[in-house]
Amino acid sequence: DTAVSQTPKYLVTQMGNDKSIKCEQNLGHDTMYWYKQDSKKFLKIMFSYNNKELIINETVPNRFSPKSPDKAHLNLHINSLELGDSAVYFCASTHRGSEAFFGQGTRLTVV
Amino acid sequence: EDQVTQSPEALRLQEGESSSLNCSYTVSGLRGLFWYRQDPGKGPEFLFTLYSAGEEKEKERLKATLTKKESFLHITAPKPEDSATYLCAVKGAAGNKLTFGGGTRVLVKP
Repeated sequence: DTAVSQTPKYLVTQMGNDKSIKCEQNLGHDTMYWYKQDSKKFLKIMFSYNNKELIINETVPNRFSPKSPDKAHLNLHINSLELGDSAVYFCASTHRGSEAFFGQGTRLTVV
Repeated sequence: EDQVTQSPEALRLQEGESSSLNCSYTVSGLRGLFWYRQDPGKGPEFLFTLYSAGEEKEKERLKATLTKKESFLHITAPKPEDSATYLCAVKGAAGNKLTFGGGTRVLVKP
């Protein structure tokens, strides 16, 4: 009965590849997010969707494209992966501005 | 732009040695200050939300307080299981996002 689940937990891939990370929440929340945590542990917002509509799009390379097929799912597709994309990516969800619940993270390593 | 600075970056405590973590912030129209705990290899776990200066919240050995410029997370008589990274974040009036500080890594030795 995981609240926010991400797959995969680990992802190792070569430079130039395209990969996707999936996120699902079973909390009935209306807003979902992608955050990136770099090697220094800083968490930074990337995207936010509210009821399938993109509401936050921070300064992120357009190689990153989020997709929300419905309120419970938010996926992240990354094209032409670069070494600097290596990080831990977290999905989160909130409801009406309440506290955010985070997934377990996806550790992406680009080699 | 909202900004959050946490200090110290790391804190080593003996079991039972109380201490405080600091979170300084600048935000336009505070809509909430949040404390999270993050264990290695896991996502942040929600601890507290504070909304206005003077507010305090407690949970077991943790107590969070808020002023107009900073928040403190007090750890009273910590145990080894309190070892984690503690993250502070703010939500401002400008948008529906959390701005995080860099965290404080706490290690409690038995």
